[in-house]
Amino acid sequence: GIQVEQSPPDLILQEGANSTLRCNFSDSVNNLQWFHQNPWGQLINLFYIPSGTKQNGRLSATTVATERYSLLYISSSQTTDSGVYFCAVGSGGGADGLTFGKGTHLIIQP
Amino acid sequence: DAGVIQSPRHEVTEMGQEVTLRCKPISGHNSLFWYRQTMMRGLELLIYFNNNVPIDDSGMPEDRFSAKMPNASFSTLKIQPSEPRDSAVYFCASSLADTEAFFGQGTRLTVV
Repeated sequence: GIQVEQSPPDLILQEGANSTLRCNFSDSVNNLQWFHQNPWGQLINLFYIPSGTKQNGRLSATTVATERYSLLYISSSQTTDSGVYFCAVGSGGGADGLTFGKGTHLIIQP
Repeated sequence: DAGVIQSPRHEVTEMGQEVTLRCKPISGHNSLFWYRQTMMRGLELLIYFNNNVPIDDSGMPEDRFSAKMPNASFSTLKIQPSEPRDSAVYFCASSLADTEAFFGQGTRLTVV
């Protein structure tokens, strides 16, 4: 099956800093999503981005499908950005579920 | 829409007991997924349904696990008998075809 690797595994930043999280995948995908799992365990949708670039406030994401990677940018970090960020991909036709990476654990210190 | 609704939020049961987890997908979504999250294995897909039909259950760990979707607005995941190693957070998700998937809040299962 498809492999998903996220980096870095852990990241500690001061409030106000910027960060870039990376997701590499081993095969062609027709679905790619970024999630934030907050300290209460909820998986919150950030981006549905199988290709191209999207922005939502302080967050933006870019997927280069031909090179099999995606980047999540967080600018002007806030303590509420802390949590685990997951990249998940789907590669089959139709709705066949997502394969998740192991996540990036982000801690924003005040 | 209220989003994907799972119940119960927490379940503590004794080894050997039957456990039933419930999920109501987002109205209009035709795909439903069950995932399990553990520290050791991360988030893994257990089974998914398209138009209420199970498509791939290769992620179901053992015959003790079963899932049903009797109609478009309800699904269950059953574990019988439960074992301590089944302790995990179980998520249900739904999507419209192969577009963006949305997750419920999860059920934290503890088997003692």
